[in-house]
Parts: sequence; structure tokens; C-alpha cells
Amino acid sequence: DIVMTQTPLSLSVTPGQPASISCKSSQSLLHSDGKTYLFWYLQKPGQSPQLLIYEVSNRFSGVPDRFSGSGSGTDFTLKISRVEAEDVGVYYCMQSIQLLTFGGGTKVEIK
Amino acid sequence: EVQLVQSGAEVKKPGESLKISCKGSGYSFTTYWIGWVRQMPGKGLEWMGIIYPGDSDTRYSPSFQGQVTVSVDKSNSTAYLQWSSLKASDTAMYYCARNPRRTGWYFDLWGRGTLVTVSS
Repeated sequence: DIVMTQTPLSLSVTPGQPASISCKSSQSLLHSDGKTYLFWYLQKPGQSPQLLIYEVSNRFSGVPDRFSGSGSGTDFTLKISRVEAEDVGVYYCMQSIQLLTFGGGTKVEIK
Repeated sequence: EVQLVQSGAEVKKPGESLKISCKGSGYSFTTYWIGWVRQMPGKGLEWMGIIYPGDSDTRYSPSFQGQVTVSVDKSNSTAYLQWSSLKASDTAMYYCARNPRRTGWYFDLWGRGTLVTVSS
């Protein structure tokens, strides 16, 4: 089974400041088709999760450009360039090269 | 409107059976996979299983294989998650979500969730 490890567990950010979340997988997420199957979701309080980033760095439809994803192989990062109040919630990374596994989540709150 | 509509909250006793549903609308139901995700109280997301309505191809997480059954009725554009004998530890929110492809699954549309409470 592929294990996804996120750090930090929680993050308190001043509005307008950047934030960064790390996600490490126990195996490479690079598929033989050349794509890397790493995704990011945000679950806002009281809501269902929503897709932010697919295949490491592609923003999903409607996602603000302050969100960006990067990384390769087993190490990945989600960055928020300037955190806004609406960005609070729990962020999850997810792999799907081998079945599907979520990371444990990173809670982002506003200072 | 493209959406997944899940059945309402359930309160059951240990040992009882349960089947919850997820109805897709506004898109071609048979050409997208439907997955199920568990979220226990105050915890993270756990993938349970996934089904392709077009041919009922089904995959399970090893953690949930044999514990639940995923099924579909494509004539009604509805996917199901069922238990034959509930336990208190099945108390959780259950989300269905849509996956657009066969390789490199991801969920681009989510239902609002069905809260299942199992208590004697």
C-alpha cells in the first residue's frame, strides 16, 4: 500500500501571507504513461471536499491562481501565495497510481 | 445542473443492514466512475471502493474489501453502498464522488455526504 504523509498537521497563517504544505508518498507516483497521479483537495468546514489540483500542478476549473502545486516522484508541495479567509479548512493530498490513498490532512486556519 | 445527490442521514443499530444511495444527474452517468469515501468523526478521508456504471467493474480498498458492497443501477443513474451487519465503528459521514477516467483516478464532483450513525 502507498502511504501518503502530509506535513505540517496544522498551519496558522496571517491573511495575505503565503502557506506551504508538503506531501510525501512511500513510492513514486510517476506512471508509465508519463503522468504523475498526485492530487490536492480542500475540505472547507462543514462541506464536502473539493478538487484543487490534479496531476501535481494543474489547477482544476475555477480554482484561484494563488493555489499552485509542484513536485515529482515522491515529494510534492501545495502553495498558497496569499492566504485568504476563504482558504481555511483541511487540505488533503491523494495518490491514485496504485488504487487510491489520501494523506492525513493539514488543517489551515487564519491568525 | 451536474450533481450527485445522496440519500438522507440514517440511524441504525449494530447488526442491522443498510444501503445508502448516490444519484447522478446532469451528465452521462454510465461514463464516469463513482467512488465512496468514508470520514469518521473528526478524522480524515478514506477511500472505500469505486464502480464503473457502464459495466459494473468494481474495485475495493483492501481495508474495506468484504466489509461493504458497492453496486449500481444504471437505469436509475444511482450508485449504492451497503452493509449487511453494521458496527458502531461504521459511524461516519460517507461521500460519493465522480471519477472521470480508468487510470489515475480522481474525484471532480462530490455529493454532500450521508451521515450514518450506528448506536444501540
